[in-house]
Amino acid sequence: DTAVSQTPKYLVTQMGNDKSIKCEQNLGHDTMYWYKQDSKKFLKIMFSYNNKELIINETVPNRFSPKSPDKAHLNLHINSLELGDSAVYFCASSQDWATGNIQYFGAGTRLSVL
Amino acid sequence: GIQVEQSPPDLILQEGANSTLRCNFSDSVNNLQWFHQNPWGQLINLFYIPSGTKQNGRLSATTVATERYSLLYISSSQTTDSGVYFCAARGNKLVFGAGTILRVKS
Repeated sequence: DTAVSQTPKYLVTQMGNDKSIKCEQNLGHDTMYWYKQDSKKFLKIMFSYNNKELIINETVPNRFSPKSPDKAHLNLHINSLELGDSAVYFCASSQDWATGNIQYFGAGTRLSVL
Repeated sequence: GIQVEQSPPDLILQEGANSTLRCNFSDSVNNLQWFHQNPWGQLINLFYIPSGTKQNGRLSATTVATERYSLLYISSSQTTDSGVYFCAARGNKLVFGAGTILRVKS
């Protein structure tokens, strides 16, 4: 039983398209995150939600919009995809927003924009 | 915000060798984690270690919070240890270092 699952695993699309990545966690956690890993393997947080409320919104283009229908799901929608959006996107979750919590990561979604 | 620096950036080991990876962080933290990203891209949490020492099999980690560094020890390395090792420290958000790329040769 996968704890944090993302779909799809791979996403290849043309510039200008709109796409979504879905994330679900079955750990009963309150907090979920989206991270972006670039081609140099650098990982950076994009968004964090706690109990469906946005608590972190890093300097990310408005084309990226997270949506949390419930605390077990955090989806990422990307409008007007650009070449520079090509990366691996990771979803993660932790028990809650308290500082002492371990984050568990999904397997990642490799997005390639052509 | 917090700055996290890891060293060395790259490391090549012969199977069976030991190694130490270092993580320096710029400010007080109450959450320090080590992750391994395997060659298939999966990120696995190795240790949650804001202070003190922990051991898990051939891996151990030590964080000296007052001196703002953490060390990850890998003993008797195996080819399956290859991948990227990340340190991540948290102030108001988890900040990752650039990683250490480890290659273990048989």
